[in-house]
Amino acid sequence: RKEVEQDPGPFNVPEGATVAFNCTYSNSASQSFFWYRQDCRKEPKLLMSVYSSGNEDGRFTAQLNRASQYISLLIRDSKLSDSATYLCVVLLTAGNTPLVFGKGTRLSVIA
Amino acid sequence: DGGITQSPKYLFRKEGQNVTLSCEQNLNHDAMYWYRQDPGQGLRLIYYSQIVNDFQKGDIAEGYSVSREKKESFPLTVTSAQKNPTAFYLCASSIDTPGRETQYFGPGTRLLVL
Repeated sequence: RKEVEQDPGPFNVPEGATVAFNCTYSNSASQSFFWYRQDCRKEPKLLMSVYSSGNEDGRFTAQLNRASQYISLLIRDSKLSDSATYLCVVLLTAGNTPLVFGKGTRLSVIA
Repeated sequence: DGGITQSPKYLFRKEGQNVTLSCEQNLNHDAMYWYRQDPGQGLRLIYYSQIVNDFQKGDIAEGYSVSREKKESFPLTVTSAQKNPTAFYLCASSIDTPGRETQYFGPGTRLLVL
C-alpha cells in the first residue's frame, strides 16, 4: 500500500463551483499533515497545514480524520487561478524529517 | 529577501559526466532536503541533512552525492552512475520548531541529458 494516495484527476470544474479532494495515508503514527499547491513547472508551495480540529483559510477548508486515516481539502467558489496540482503531504515523525508526498490531484477551473 | 535559491534553472549533462546542482538558503534553517520529481509523479527524497556535516540517504540516493559543509548550502552532485537523471530537482529547507515543520522549496533545477 502506498504511503500517501490521491486521486490524480483531473478535476475539471466551472468557475464558482465547490470541489473537494481526499487523500489517504497508511501510517497511523503520522504526525503532521499539509496541503501544498504546485503550478505547472514550478516548485510546491504550502497552501495550508491540516489540524485535527479542521481549519479554514478563506475559501479553503482542510479536515483530518485520524480514525479513517484521510485528509481532505475543500475549495469553495473556485477561481481560474485555483487551477494547479494539489499535493497531499504527510510528516511521519516530528522534527526536521522528510515529508512524504502524494502524487497530486490536478484541478482545472474552467471559465 | 529571505529564501531558497537554486542554480542553474536548466542544466544539461553529457553521458558520463558529473554535474552539481546548487542550493542555498538564508532562512537560518537547520535542515535541508533534495527531492526529485518526474513528470506526473510525486516528489521522491534523494538525500537530507538535519545538521551541518551530517546527512542521510533518502529513498533514491543511488547515483547521487551531497555535502553539508555550511548551514546555508547543500549541493547535490548527480554522478555518471545515475542512469536516468532527467528530472526536476527540488531543494527544500525547514526549521525544527514543533508544530512548524513546514518545508519551503527553492524554484528547482531541470536537468536534461544530451
